[in-house]
Amino acid sequence: QITLKESGPTLVTPTQTLTLTCTFSGFSLSTDGAGVGWIRQPPGKALEWLALIYWDDDKRYSPSLRSRLTITKDTSKNQVVLTMTNMGPLDTATYYCAHLYSSSSRFDYWGQGTLVTVSS
Amino acid sequence: QSVLTQPPSVSGAPGQRVTISCTGSSSNLGAGYDVHWYQQVPGTAPKLIMFLNDERPSGVPDRFSGSKSGTSASLAISGLQGEDEADYYCQSYDTSLSAWVFGGGTKLTVL
Repeated sequence: QITLKESGPTLVTPTQTLTLTCTFSGFSLSTDGAGVGWIRQPPGKALEWLALIYWDDDKRYSPSLRSRLTITKDTSKNQVVLTMTNMGPLDTATYYCAHLYSSSSRFDYWGQGTLVTVSS
Repeated sequence: QSVLTQPPSVSGAPGQRVTISCTGSSSNLGAGYDVHWYQQVPGTAPKLIMFLNDERPSGVPDRFSGSKSGTSASLAISGLQGEDEADYYCQSYDTSLSAWVFGGGTKLTVL
């Protein structure tokens, strides 16, 4: 059974760097084809893909946010970490991590999400 | 502006059938990339309810069906039930953007 859970601050101040951790179980990020992605959703708005990391450490980023994002993995801890620099009010959103099904384009398991508010 | 276009809202009475469209372009659906659909009840995480255009994960009722043709896809829900009231998102991959892309979401109201 695959599970994922996001953790990190619920409140960040403008210009700060956000660090979110996705802790997962039920699969290994060292297995061929495995991937974990981050998706966010501002209140009342649509889902937006942010970043994804594959089992082989291949990393992909949203073109519009590439300069602000870094995704890493710690296979031994079953964790994926997303950092986003220079946070602003428009970055207020629920941030989800999700399991990518075997090198496909679909996310088959999602974490519960964590709401991050950017405010001074 | 989402890369995949969905109607903001649809509605139907219990027992009726509704369809939700998802329009893409030659760099995503039209390039042969599959479409997937997620159901999101407010306050909860999205749930995959259709993958590879028309495949249902285990546990998803067969009242849900999907299709794709060219640059468009659709999700149909027949025999509407109150529990189907949720937001629905289509999702695919865009080769021009090298990005996973979502639709803007469609709010389904069961009257």
